[in-house]
Amino acid sequence: LAKTTQPISMDSYEGQEVNITCSHNNIATNDYITWYQQFPSQGPRFIIQGYKTKVTNEVASLFIPADRKSSTLSLPRVSLSDTAVYYCLVGPLYNNNDMRFGAGTRLTVKP
Amino acid sequence: DTGVSQNPRHKITKRGQNVTFRCDPISEHNRLYWYRQTLGQGPEFLTYFQNEAQLEKSRLLSDRFSAERPKGSFSTLEIQRTEQGDSAMYLCASSFAGNTEAFFGQGTRLTVV
Repeated sequence: LAKTTQPISMDSYEGQEVNITCSHNNIATNDYITWYQQFPSQGPRFIIQGYKTKVTNEVASLFIPADRKSSTLSLPRVSLSDTAVYYCLVGPLYNNNDMRFGAGTRLTVKP
Repeated sequence: DTGVSQNPRHKITKRGQNVTFRCDPISEHNRLYWYRQTLGQGPEFLTYFQNEAQLEKSRLLSDRFSAERPKGSFSTLEIQRTEQGDSAMYLCASSFAGNTEAFFGQGTRLTVV
């Protein structure tokens, strides 16, 4: 399984765009990149998933460069309620037996 | 179906006692995962089922831990002879096989005193 590296923490202010980068130098050809969000005392929640280039949904965008050795989760115009821990996971989609979570990035949004 | 349900939400037990947690996954999902999470850490994989078959167990899952998923529906996680180090949040998730979009329950917080 590809190892991922994320910043331990990030601070932002309401209304700003936040970009959280995840490094995964050993990503395999059939690996996908998945991001989860976790609020205190709750289970993680799926945000977005992608394989290459750009994926966008109603919550976030995921940018993946051509070499796929990193990815960036982009949260537009964050609010206080986006304060959470964000996890980047890398693994094969159809044989993903155990989703491995790292320590994640703790995002704090300030007023 | 309102999502993944875990019971109880909180459990306080004395060291040495046995505890059992229950997870009811989203009914159409054939995969079910158990994770353990301690404060400040990401969830640690414990085990997963595809239907009723337990296909993988982490080395974290010592002999005191056992999980079952009879009939491929709900699952139970039992911890025997609990130790203080077992204190953690135990999370259950379910998904379709071959899909990393997993849905998590709210967890069971275990405190061993």
